[in-house]
Amino acid sequence: EAQVTQNPRYLITVTGKKLTVTCSQNMNHEYMSWYRQDPGLGLRQIYYSMNVEVTDKGDVPEGYKVSRKEKRNFPLILESPSPNQTSLYFCASSQIPPEGGNEQFFGPGTRLTVL
Amino acid sequence: DAKTTQPTSMDCAEGRAANLPCNHSTISGNEYVYWYRQIHSQGPQYIIHGLKNNETNEMASLIITEDRKSSTLILPHATLRDTAVYYCIVTFQFYFGTGTSLTVIP
Repeated sequence: EAQVTQNPRYLITVTGKKLTVTCSQNMNHEYMSWYRQDPGLGLRQIYYSMNVEVTDKGDVPEGYKVSRKEKRNFPLILESPSPNQTSLYFCASSQIPPEGGNEQFFGPGTRLTVL
Repeated sequence: DAKTTQPTSMDCAEGRAANLPCNHSTISGNEYVYWYRQIHSQGPQYIIHGLKNNETNEMASLIITEDRKSSTLILPHATLRDTAVYYCIVTFQFYFGTGTSLTVIP
């Protein structure tokens, strides 16, 4: 089954404790991205990757890092989480970037709480 | 980059067509219009996209005006499972706003 998986699905952590949210897709997609969703603000893009070893900032990249060492994986790293990073996070992938006119597949989401 | 304007909420009777409007008056000539929906806090689900022509798939129809400044998503026979937040997005910014909360009423 074609899918995007994220782990963990739920995470409660404390300020300053480094964490990684994994994202993996099995569709051989070139393009992957991370979004966060907050009440009243919709989904905002954090980082995106056009291909292996190619990443770029989205609209709200501060406090986050990403890496793309393999095509299928695109982990989101919070080096020193803070309470304002409490949010619902989504990973997405597509064969080409949205500008090319194709469907993005979204993962199930990771609900992160930073105390 | 173009952004979109959608009504905050809409209701639709079960079995009737749901028509969800979207304004994108600053869209540029080569930007696509996408529609996604999100049920509760699940990952957004792709519905349909188009550039200039009207499009139809098994889920919905997309009507884009000739000047491309607005579009309408049509769910031909709404069911209770279509209750969701619907997002209209134009490509270059791919910005998900707050969308339209559609409630299908029995």
